[in-house]
Amino acid sequence: SALTQPASVSGSPGQSITISCTGTTSDVGSYNLVSWYQHHPGKAPKFIIFDVNKRPSGVSNRFSGSKSGNTATLTISGLQAEDEADYYCCSYAGSDNFVLFGGGTKLTVL
Amino acid sequence: EVQLVESGGGLVQPGRSLRLSCTASGFPFGDYAMTWVRQAPGKGLEWVAFIKRKMYGGTPQYAASVEGRFAISRDDSKSIAYLQMNSLDAEDTAVYYCARWPGDAFDFWGQGTMVTVSS
Repeated sequence: SALTQPASVSGSPGQSITISCTGTTSDVGSYNLVSWYQHHPGKAPKFIIFDVNKRPSGVSNRFSGSKSGNTATLTISGLQAEDEADYYCCSYAGSDNFVLFGGGTKLTVL
Repeated sequence: EVQLVESGGGLVQPGRSLRLSCTASGFPFGDYAMTWVRQAPGKGLEWVAFIKRKMYGGTPQYAASVEGRFAISRDDSKSIAYLQMNSLDAEDTAVYYCARWPGDAFDFWGQGTMVTVSS
């Protein structure tokens, strides 16, 4: 089954928000292969965090990731209007299952 | 510049087949595993199919929802990944994305191609 994310979060410009991603000991809890994707509708998803807390080249340092036990967290600091998008977590789930995605979280910048 | 361009989507009747293509450029295609990920209308992302590099046998793997109906393949000489979709039903209606998998994340995605299954 999918990883669990909140359906929506919101914040004002300049604030920080967090998005949680809860899995199990078979996925998030077992592998440091959690990634996060930003998806503006109609566009290609963009990966913003990999290996739990690494940022790809060119991704703002306002985006950060962490993990504790079976829950991974994406933090966006200094919210900007262009951060408004859907965010998805993903975890490797072993050779039999490959990966699981979260259900997605809609971020609204107020 | 890495580019992935999907093609082959469209309107298809239930029970029929469709083949999607993902044409890659800007990187050594044969050095990467490739995947297909879909997003049904109003839903989240769902991994569909994965194919290893030829170096690791080119082994395919499928989500349970498409196992036995879909087949992923690759032509490294043309830098193209394919998704053959058979016995399509309404629940397969989605935007299908091609994405590169270097081993730990989907690092590049195409713009997607829409597949609509309807009579």
